[in-house]
Amino acid sequence: GAVVSQHPSWVICKSGTSVKIECRSLDFQATTMFWYRQFPKQSLMLMATSNEGSKATYEQGVEKDKFLINHASLTLSTLTVTSAHPEDSSFYICSATRRAGGSGTQYFGPGTRLLVL
Amino acid sequence: QKEVEQNSGPLSVPEGAIASLNCTYSDRGSQSFFWYRQYSGKSPELIMSIYSNGDKEDGRFTAQLNKASQYVSLLIRDSQPSDSATYLCAVNIPRGSSFSTGKLIFGQGTTLQVKP
Repeated sequence: GAVVSQHPSWVICKSGTSVKIECRSLDFQATTMFWYRQFPKQSLMLMATSNEGSKATYEQGVEKDKFLINHASLTLSTLTVTSAHPEDSSFYICSATRRAGGSGTQYFGPGTRLLVL
Repeated sequence: QKEVEQNSGPLSVPEGAIASLNCTYSDRGSQSFFWYRQYSGKSPELIMSIYSNGDKEDGRFTAQLNKASQYVSLLIRDSQPSDSATYLCAVNIPRGSSFSTGKLIFGQGTTLQVKP
């Protein structure tokens, strides 16, 4: 168990458009979902933490109006990159923790590669 | 500043050898520790979690935790070329008393190369 999916796996868009990325926990209810960004040769950078039914908590330096997060249910969170620019091109990865258990183990989705032209 | 530190490597070992990966952390209150493997171009994959001092074994992998020294390690026995990847050490920082809503602090990762 503990499978997390992301859609789409790849997206190429023009500068100025908005892109929505979905993250789903397939076989468990997720207390919390996390959104990360990873640039080449760098480690994961946490962007925000989202809990079902409440506003996301953004990390320092992450623009909440640019990276909109909606956590509609215990199995679905979405990240929308609004007015994307080339510098937003990156590998976006979500993760989720189980509703019960409390260990804090995060299960990662396969990631979404965004290329903004 | 809560930090997790790893040697970036690359760590190169011959096939069949033991690979030893190390990690130190700064927050003495940390209770949950994780090792993830990340292949190039892929997302992280959980290998081991450890919460208590001592060793925890799972197949060819052994995680070791020493909270007094604030040190976590991962041993990979009988290393295979398919183990070549970046290994990320992560420490859970709880929000209040909740670990499940807490965030992970990642080290920079150690690149392991297993040579045939």
